[in-house]
Amino acid sequence: EAAVTQSPRNKVAVTGGKVTLSCNQTNNHNNMYWYRQDTGHGLRLIHYSYGAGSTEKGDIPDGYKASRPSQENFSLILELATPSQTSVYFCASGDWHHNNQAPLFGEGTRLSVL
Amino acid sequence: GEQVEQLPSILRVQEGSSASINCTYENSASNYFPWYKQEPGENPKLIIDIRSNMERKQTQGLIVLLDKKAKRFSLHITDTQPGDSAMYFCAGPSSSFSKLVFGQGTSLSVVP
Repeated sequence: EAAVTQSPRNKVAVTGGKVTLSCNQTNNHNNMYWYRQDTGHGLRLIHYSYGAGSTEKGDIPDGYKASRPSQENFSLILELATPSQTSVYFCASGDWHHNNQAPLFGEGTRLSVL
Repeated sequence: GEQVEQLPSILRVQEGSSASINCTYENSASNYFPWYKQEPGENPKLIIDIRSNMERKQTQGLIVLLDKKAKRFSLHITDTQPGDSAMYFCAGPSSSFSKLVFGQGTSLSVVP
């Protein structure tokens, strides 16, 4: 069964600390995404990837880095976390353009930066 | 042009009536338009999608219409039930076909 797994599910970080959010998909999808969701802002795209080794900036990339070391894994890295990055983060994978596979979302990671 | 605009942001309908949500997009090359439903505390889940080679798609009380000329697509929920109360998001690809951009969301409440 198609799946997108995020870890951790909840994270409390300190301002200035480094945070890594991980995402794993077992769907063999080419494309993977990181979104954040805040009340009143919907789902905003941070970074995305076409495949292993590629990362692309989304609409709000400042303060975030991404890494796609393999087809299955896509990480979001906050090198110097700030309270404004407190949010719910969703990873998704999909490949509708080539393989008719609609984007699937992970369960989300709730991040609090204190 | 990579924005997807979604309206209304809040929608309240009577149980048994229909609910309609509209989205517009900028990229005329966009070819795939999914709709997601998100319940409180959960992740968005795909409920229906449509490709640019179709004008209408229907499944289980959901209808999606696509007007490529107007760059507009819409979701219609027929015979709404309390279980349809949730956030709904439309989405579309940008000039990069791998980049998926979401509308701002519609909070639907179905009242008895």
